[in-house]
Amino acid sequence: GAGVSQSPSNKVTEKGKDVELRCDPISGHTALYWYRQSLGQGLEFLIYFQGNSAPDKSGLPSDRFSAERTGGSVSTLTIQRTQQEDSAVYLCASSFLSRGLSTDTQYFGPGTRLTVL
Amino acid sequence: SQQGEEDPQALSIQEGENATMNCSYKTSINNLQWYRQNSGRGLVHLILIRSNEREKHSGRLRVTLDTSKKSSSLLITASRAADTASYFCATAIIQGAQKLVFGQGTRLTINP
Repeated sequence: GAGVSQSPSNKVTEKGKDVELRCDPISGHTALYWYRQSLGQGLEFLIYFQGNSAPDKSGLPSDRFSAERTGGSVSTLTIQRTQQEDSAVYLCASSFLSRGLSTDTQYFGPGTRLTVL
Repeated sequence: SQQGEEDPQALSIQEGENATMNCSYKTSINNLQWYRQNSGRGLVHLILIRSNEREKHSGRLRVTLDTSKKSSSLLITASRAADTASYFCATAIIQGAQKLVFGQGTRLTINP
């Protein structure tokens, strides 16, 4: 079966423009996560979905960032009025949560490299 | 803020030698996971160890967890050139949040 896929693989945009990043999780996975990896930084958590709801948005860096998930499957991360500091690799992961609070293995996509000029 | 601190930040060894990477964390955890990343893109899950486990093996990988010291180690035995990558530990914290908190990673280079 296919793994997590993300599109586009690379995105170059101008400062001030909006961008949309897409994530297709592994079929049947109930949980979906967005992370960001900036140059020289570790991975930082952005947002997590369980089904179509987002119980934890604590990692979104500003109100310019939003995400949605429809049909319990595909998710879109939107960055409005992009800034140069938004340049990073945006990684999506999915997992199948079989227990209440435990975090099962997360499977990562290849990421979208965003460059804001 | 980063939960995990990894040590060393970079490690270079000869092919065939063993590589050991360490990870320390700050808060109570549900489990700890190790990932590998090649060329700064997607992460590959290596192994998950739960808070009630002390040691786990997978092929040439051996992971230990010491919850009293809040630390974990990843040992790669008989290293190969293909093991060259960045290795990250990630902790899943208790409190219902399902996010993973990653360390800064160790850059491992295996010299042929």
